[in-house]
Amino acid sequence: AQSVAQPEDQVNVAEGNPLTVKCTYSVSGNPYLFWYVQYPNRGLQFLLKYITGDNLVKGSYGFEAEFNKSQTSFHLKKPSALVSDSALYFCAVRASGYSSASKIIFGSGTRLSIRP
Amino acid sequence: DGGITQSPKYLFRKEGQNVTLSCEQNLNHDAMYWYRQDPGQGLRLIYYSQIVNDFQKGDIAEGYSVSREKKESFPLTVTSAQKNPTAFYLCASSASKTGANVLTFGAGSRLTVL
Repeated sequence: AQSVAQPEDQVNVAEGNPLTVKCTYSVSGNPYLFWYVQYPNRGLQFLLKYITGDNLVKGSYGFEAEFNKSQTSFHLKKPSALVSDSALYFCAVRASGYSSASKIIFGSGTRLSIRP
Repeated sequence: DGGITQSPKYLFRKEGQNVTLSCEQNLNHDAMYWYRQDPGQGLRLIYYSQIVNDFQKGDIAEGYSVSREKKESFPLTVTSAQKNPTAFYLCASSASKTGANVLTFGAGSRLTVL
């Protein structure tokens, strides 16, 4: 069975410092990996995805994520945090191949708080 | 503009009543999804559908039902069998049956059981 773990409920970072939001996954076969962001009382917005190719993926708003197959991780990073980055972040995974029937599983979310 | 419309935004239900949450998309997407969001538990998959007239149970399907009679519509019924239905419900769609495309989400429906 596929699963996603976000080990930190909350991450606190000072504005201008680098940030990392952690994600590990378990899936049969090659994974499709995603990061989404949610602002209060809203739906989720797509940030970036890894399907294949370069392990470092760049996405919206200056975010990037690194796929590490040996550690089954897909951590979200940003070199310099902004107060406006404060939100709830979700990692998601889907096994490749039609047999898994598009089942996309999300982690429990990590609340990112950037202090001025 | 293309997107996903969920209605109602807020819904109150008495215990023992069934309620139906609407989800409509004009993105011409094949796949549609329903997730439930509870504090500290993230998003949990209720049902998903890859094509019209076909859908599969997710991880927490008990107490819920869906239909997919039209490509653009994927309504969710919360039945009286769902023991703890108070939650934020999110509908999403994806262009690809294989799931490589990103999900587009609606703004959500908040259901409260009185």
